[in-house]
Amino acid sequence: GAVVSQHPSWVICKSGTSVKIECRSLDFQATTMFWYRQFPKQSLMLMATSNEGSKATYEQGVEKDKFLINHASLTLSTLTVTSAHPEDSSFYICSARSNRVSEQYFGPGTRLTVT
Amino acid sequence: GQNIDQPTEMTATEGAIVQINCTYQTSGFNGLFWYQQHAGEAPTFLSYNVLDGLEEKGRFSSFLSRSKGYSYLLLKELQMKDSASYLCAVWNTGFQKLVFGTGTRLLVSP
Repeated sequence: GAVVSQHPSWVICKSGTSVKIECRSLDFQATTMFWYRQFPKQSLMLMATSNEGSKATYEQGVEKDKFLINHASLTLSTLTVTSAHPEDSSFYICSARSNRVSEQYFGPGTRLTVT
Repeated sequence: GQNIDQPTEMTATEGAIVQINCTYQTSGFNGLFWYQQHAGEAPTFLSYNVLDGLEEKGRFSSFLSRSKGYSYLLLKELQMKDSASYLCAVWNTGFQKLVFGTGTRLLVSP
């Protein structure tokens, strides 16, 4: 399957600071990237969908000013958690999709801990 | 609306066969995915069904019936490493996104 990378794999930050997470599709062009959040023992919760060169579409209840998404190219999307708080501590996973519905692959995830 | 149901937990023994069911109700259906997720890791792709029938891939098989809104993942010759969560997800054409079920935690015991 295709490879999607995320960086960093884990991060610890202090409350009030911002954290940027990168998601890259390494061997295909991702027309769409998705950002998910997952709390322990729960399923994936979609936060937002981003298409290259356009603004992200956020799911209901997700603050777009807090979770900034930039899909700068067909291989790179970034999620910035601004003014992070302890309740933002979670497992953040990106997913990249080509033009084909069947081709959607997940990155390894980023574990964010806000102290 | 959209609704995807899976059992919460299942247990099985090493070497056995287990079937994980998934029922769904969604508009704009365009395929059903199964993913495996180990604790603390991201989901890994197992299968994609868009037409009715059974798709076999090694020890894993996935079945789809679109008229019944039903799928199952069949795991044969279970191994300890198969202990994981199994996520059923449906591609919704209207919303252009994957909608996930709650996942089934499978525990394989010796």
